[in-house]
Amino acid sequence: DVKVTQSSRYLVKRTGEKVFLECVQDMDHENMFWYRQDPGLGLRLIYFSYDVKMKEKGDIPEGYSVSREKKERFSLILESASTNQTSMYLCASTITRAQPQHFGDGTRLSIL
Amino acid sequence: GQQVMQIPQYQHVQEGEDFTTYCNSSTTLSNIQWYKQRPGGHPVFLIQLVKSGEVKKQKRLTFQFGEAKKNSSLHITATQTTDVGTYFCAGTNAGKSTFGDGTTLTVKP
Repeated sequence: DVKVTQSSRYLVKRTGEKVFLECVQDMDHENMFWYRQDPGLGLRLIYFSYDVKMKEKGDIPEGYSVSREKKERFSLILESASTNQTSMYLCASTITRAQPQHFGDGTRLSIL
Repeated sequence: GQQVMQIPQYQHVQEGEDFTTYCNSSTTLSNIQWYKQRPGGHPVFLIQLVKSGEVKKQKRLTFQFGEAKKNSSLHITATQTTDVGTYFCAGTNAGKSTFGDGTTLTVKP
């Protein structure tokens, strides 16, 4: 069974801090994704990666960056956290682009 | 860009009533996937539809893919309290999947 692990379930940070959210998958999947989920707004794609060291912007990349140095790990970086980045962040992976995505448990991030 | 619209946003039913959520894409899809997210949980894959006009069933859940491959529906017969959650569709076109905003179902016992 695919396991997607996000490093924290809950995280509280301060405005202006640099924040790292980590995601690891154990199924050798090529594709990894970062979403944020806010009430009434569904799942919005921030960034995705189709290979190591490869990244592409999603629908809402502003204020975020990503890193994929190893195939199994995809990190989301908030360069300078702001209160409007308070949200639930979900990581997902999939073997090919058209296949179903497997999600981690999510990180509920609060920026104070 | 590709847009996937899902309606309704919320649905509240009495236990035993039926429920349907609809998904419409602005482009023709290669496939459509459905996910369920329980309260406090993460989206979990339910099913994938690929063929035009395809119908699949999982117990009380019936999934349909439209003939033009631009719309889909999920129908739950005789809802139970265990059906509560948010149901998302995700349409794939040109290798990119786009999620709908989801339909949140609440069930009154």
